[in-house]
Amino acid sequence: AQKVTQAQTEISVVEKEDVTLDCVYETRDTTYYLFWYKQPPSGELVFLIRRNSFDEQNEISGRYSWNFQKSTSSFNFTITASQVVDSAVYFCALSVTGANNLFFGTGTRLTVIP
Amino acid sequence: GAGVSQSPRYKVAKRGQDVALRCDPISGHVSLFWYQQALGQGPEFLTYFQNEAQLDKSGLPSDRFFAERPEGSVSTLKIQRTQQEDSAVYLCASSLELGTWAYEQYFGPGTRLTVT
Repeated sequence: AQKVTQAQTEISVVEKEDVTLDCVYETRDTTYYLFWYKQPPSGELVFLIRRNSFDEQNEISGRYSWNFQKSTSSFNFTITASQVVDSAVYFCALSVTGANNLFFGTGTRLTVIP
Repeated sequence: GAGVSQSPRYKVAKRGQDVALRCDPISGHVSLFWYQQALGQGPEFLTYFQNEAQLDKSGLPSDRFFAERPEGSVSTLKIQRTQQEDSAVYLCASSLELGTWAYEQYFGPGTRLTVT
């Protein structure tokens, strides 16, 4: 069975602070993909990143960075110098070979206070 | 270009009524998905289409839920005899590729269904 755990339900930070959102996943498949999506108040899930299970290189995109560690089954997401526009619910998701759907965590609500 | 669109954005139904939710995927996207998102939860899979074929409906919670995509583009999710537990946001997503598990899905804004 597949499972994604986002233990942080809500996080509040002051603007310009760095913040890390945690994601821990469970799967017996050796080939899988991990995703992060952002869900702003408008409701539409916005794709942020996809990472396959064979690529453990960390990735940086502007103020966003991702740390994938297979040894701990984690795929954490860091926002540097947070901005008010980063306020949203962030979901980590998992897909496995042959599955037709994404398995989502319960999300982390991030509030950036000006 | 145009993203995934859904209509209506909000729907209030009295218990026992039938509802129909529409999804217009991104043009040319082969794969289409429906998810149900309860308040404070992550989306949960309902069903998957590859073109007009419904290849997976394992997530549909009961036989009151029915989805179709007759021409391989627009899809409709129908819920018969709505119950209060059906209240949720229904998200539609589409993907360009056939190998669904490896590619990102593009989501619509969702339809918020409230059953009173």
